[in-house]
Amino acid sequence: RKEVEQDPGPFNVPEGATVAFNCTYSNSASQSFFWYRQDCRKEPKLLMSVYSSGNEDGRFTAQLNRASQYISLLIRDSKLSDSATYLCVVIPSGGYNKLIFGAGTRLAVHP
Amino acid sequence: DAGVIQSPRHEVTEMGQEVTLRCKPISGHDYLFWYRQTMMRGLELLIYFNNNVPIDDSGMPEDRFSAKMPNASFSTLKIQPSEPRDSAVYFCASSARQGKVGAITDTQYFGPGTRLTVL
Repeated sequence: RKEVEQDPGPFNVPEGATVAFNCTYSNSASQSFFWYRQDCRKEPKLLMSVYSSGNEDGRFTAQLNRASQYISLLIRDSKLSDSATYLCVVIPSGGYNKLIFGAGTRLAVHP
Repeated sequence: DAGVIQSPRHEVTEMGQEVTLRCKPISGHDYLFWYRQTMMRGLELLIYFNNNVPIDDSGMPEDRFSAKMPNASFSTLKIQPSEPRDSAVYFCASSARQGKVGAITDTQYFGPGTRLTVL
């Protein structure tokens, strides 16, 4: 079983739609969680950290469910510019700076 | 400010040749990471350095791979001899210890990557 699993998609949604991605992780002792964004043929960039209480950054909301070991990302009012691959990232227990990446979920927003 | 710089951006070589990838981290960053990304395996950490010292190389696939960081502003990843299965995008990333009490990690900034093709 992979340490971090994501639905690869693609998710094809119209502009203005709300879309949600989920990610599950296998190590219950994992301590930190993030979402990264990667545009086609570009490098990954940090989108947002995921906190236990849930957090929001503009149109983006991240949630963590430790009991079920899953992380979610909700994007409201999708824009064409949101088209990218979204990578779920976990830091295992004791693994300072050791990012474990999911394979990514591809999002395509169309007019 | 300049971000992480990698060279070359593209490399095409033949099986058996030596390949050297280069990275210049963001000035002042004391952590440097090498990652490999393929369709089959996704993004994997190969090795990382702290203050030029290798801390964890458990992701290095085999002895054909080696990495060095002779100073704070330069690192290399070398593959010798290269094989077709080494074809991938290799990313370098750097981060700075923020010094926050209880900090789990610091934001890693990725370079543009080197796209390696081994024929």
